[in-house]
Amino acid sequence: EIVLTQSPATLSLSPGERATFSCRASQSIAIYLAWYQQKPGQTPRLLIYDTFKRATGISARFSGSGSGTDFTLTISSLEPEDSAVYYCQHRQNWPWTFGQGTKVEVK
Amino acid sequence: QITLKESGPTLVKPTQTLTLTCTFSGFSLTSDVVVGWVRQPPGKAPEWLAFIYGNDDKRYSPSLRNRLTITKDSSKKEVVLTMNNMDPVETATYYCVHRTTDTSFDCWGQGTLVTVSS
Repeated sequence: EIVLTQSPATLSLSPGERATFSCRASQSIAIYLAWYQQKPGQTPRLLIYDTFKRATGISARFSGSGSGTDFTLTISSLEPEDSAVYYCQHRQNWPWTFGQGTKVEVK
Repeated sequence: QITLKESGPTLVKPTQTLTLTCTFSGFSLTSDVVVGWVRQPPGKAPEWLAFIYGNDDKRYSPSLRNRLTITKDSSKKEVVLTMNNMDPVETATYYCVHRTTDTSFDCWGQGTLVTVSS
């Protein structure tokens, strides 16, 4: 089973700042990594899949990069509504697994 | 517009079998469409459980495959998950999810909280 490790656990930034956080895989997952945003009390929402492809309706402020074992999600200019937990998830092989999440606080 | 809605019991006793139904609309279960289940314990990360493809191919989480069964009824637009021998640690929100064969989980149901307790 591939383990995904996200860092940092928590990120606290101000509106307008750039947020960058990481997902590291225990073995190569090529480009098969997705990112989800989950706001309190809400369902996860797909932001990025296959490392860099934005899902339908997702703002260009969100971008993904990486390959192999190291991946990054960047939010270019934070807005208060970006406060959420962000999860990475791979689809390289079975079972698909998720990282433990990075909590982003924008205030 | 794709929608998915979960239904089933909110409370099950330990050792009982959980049966959840996902009723979907806005798409058909064709060969490149997949419906599955993901659960999320309170305050924790999601966990993928199972998929079923339009051609009836199935995938299960290896750690749970002996306890899970996923089936579909394309005419009713339903996917059913059964999980036997439930344990209190499996208290979680259970989500029905949609994907195509070249994406991850692009649509999620609202989720249903299942509590396992005597």
